[in-house]
Amino acid sequence: SSELTQDPAVSVALGQTVRITCQGDSLRSYYASWYQQKPGQAPVLVIYGKNNRPSGIPDRFSGSSSGNTASLTITGAQAEDEADYYCNSRDSSGNLVVFGGGTKLTVL
Amino acid sequence: EVQLVESGGGLVKPGGSLRLSCAASGFTFSSYSMNWVRQAPGKGLEWVSSISSSSSYIYYADSVKGRFTISRDNAKNSLYLQMNSLRAEDTAVYYCARGGLAPGSFDYWGQGTLVTVSS
Repeated sequence: SSELTQDPAVSVALGQTVRITCQGDSLRSYYASWYQQKPGQAPVLVIYGKNNRPSGIPDRFSGSSSGNTASLTITGAQAEDEADYYCNSRDSSGNLVVFGGGTKLTVL
Repeated sequence: EVQLVESGGGLVKPGGSLRLSCAASGFTFSSYSMNWVRQAPGKGLEWVSSISSSSSYIYYADSVKGRFTISRDNAKNSLYLQMNSLRAEDTAVYYCARGGLAPGSFDYWGQGTLVTVSS
């Protein structure tokens, strides 16, 4: 299987833009999905595929990909966006699934 | 409304067994792949196992292969995880998650059930 690497922590000023990245060989073949998890809650899918948002996810969340790096961008971060963010994708074999280690986002 | 409700967690001794269940509602269960994902206390998410809609394809993480068995009953809208030879490192909240439109994506998650492996 392959691995996905995320920065452990990122901070952003209220209303500013932040990019959270995810790196891994499998991202050359598969798009990453992104999940938001708040303390004591289950993860919530925020981005999947090339750049798709499930119903109910604000349009300030967007996704992009280049080479072996996927990015989640929050444009105009809000206080309620403070959470852990995880990326995942299929692994290089295409059968298994891998998660990144997660990024703790702090909104200042 | 899509709902996934896990049950069956609890305290078990090392080497013991436990069977988790996930009751699904609000969607055509038999049309979706299903997954188990776990999260150890204070740690990140770890994919455990996936099963295709008709049970034709089943995959496991290396960390649980040979000890855990995923299964489903489409007539009962239920997903299961049989966990044997449990170890302390299997202690985690176990989430049931529906397979999404994109490969590897999980679009709905249950609230999780806690499994604690301790003597």
